[in-house]
Amino acid sequence: EVQLLESGGGLVQPGESLRLSCVASGFTLRSYDMSWVRQAPGKGLEWVSSFSGSGDRGHYADSVKGRFSISRDNSKNTVFLHMNSLRVEDTAVYYCAKPRYCSSDGCSGGFDRWGQGTLVTVSP
Amino acid sequence: QSVLTQPPSVSGAPGQRVTISCTGSSSNIGAGFDVHWYQQLPGTAPKLLIYANTYRPSGVPDRFSGSKSDTSASLAITGLQADDEADYYCQSYDSSLSGSVFGGGTKLTVL
Repeated sequence: EVQLLESGGGLVQPGESLRLSCVASGFTLRSYDMSWVRQAPGKGLEWVSSFSGSGDRGHYADSVKGRFSISRDNSKNTVFLHMNSLRVEDTAVYYCAKPRYCSSDGCSGGFDRWGQGTLVTVSP
Repeated sequence: QSVLTQPPSVSGAPGQRVTISCTGSSSNIGAGFDVHWYQQLPGTAPKLLIYANTYRPSGVPDRFSGSKSDTSASLAITGLQADDEADYYCQSYDSSLSGSVFGGGTKLTVL
């Protein structure tokens, strides 16, 4: 069974850093360009970051560009989101999400598996 | 302000049909990128409801259907049931932003 399990959230102050982890099971992580999506309290979904088609380069929303970076450890079937210079507006539940299918041409089909999410709270 | 525009709320009585629109632009839906739809029940992660404009993942009832035309897409739900009450989001890809984009979400209330 495909499962995603996020961890690493917590309460931090503005300007601090945090690293989120997403452990995948039931599929081979390196075959999929995983993404992070966040949801601020009471708000909608916001795409944060995804791996590129080559799998080693990340793409980022303008709101986090230069502060967040995505990486992965294929040996541990884990994807990470490194978050620096955190701001109050980064407060959200962060989900990792798996594309429905990926090929050499890229990934498509939406996100068919989501983790349960991990809450990041940035507050003075 | 979301790149994809959805109505904040829709409602319908049990058994009725409702539609949720998702309006984009020439850099996303209008550029030919697929639209996907998600259902999010309170306190849970989103669930893929429709992918690639019109396809239902295994296990999704055929009461849910999707369509796409020009720069917009729609999700239709027929035979409304009480447990359809949830938030619904559309998603596509935007070439100008080089990333995924979501609609602002639509809250469905079953009267």
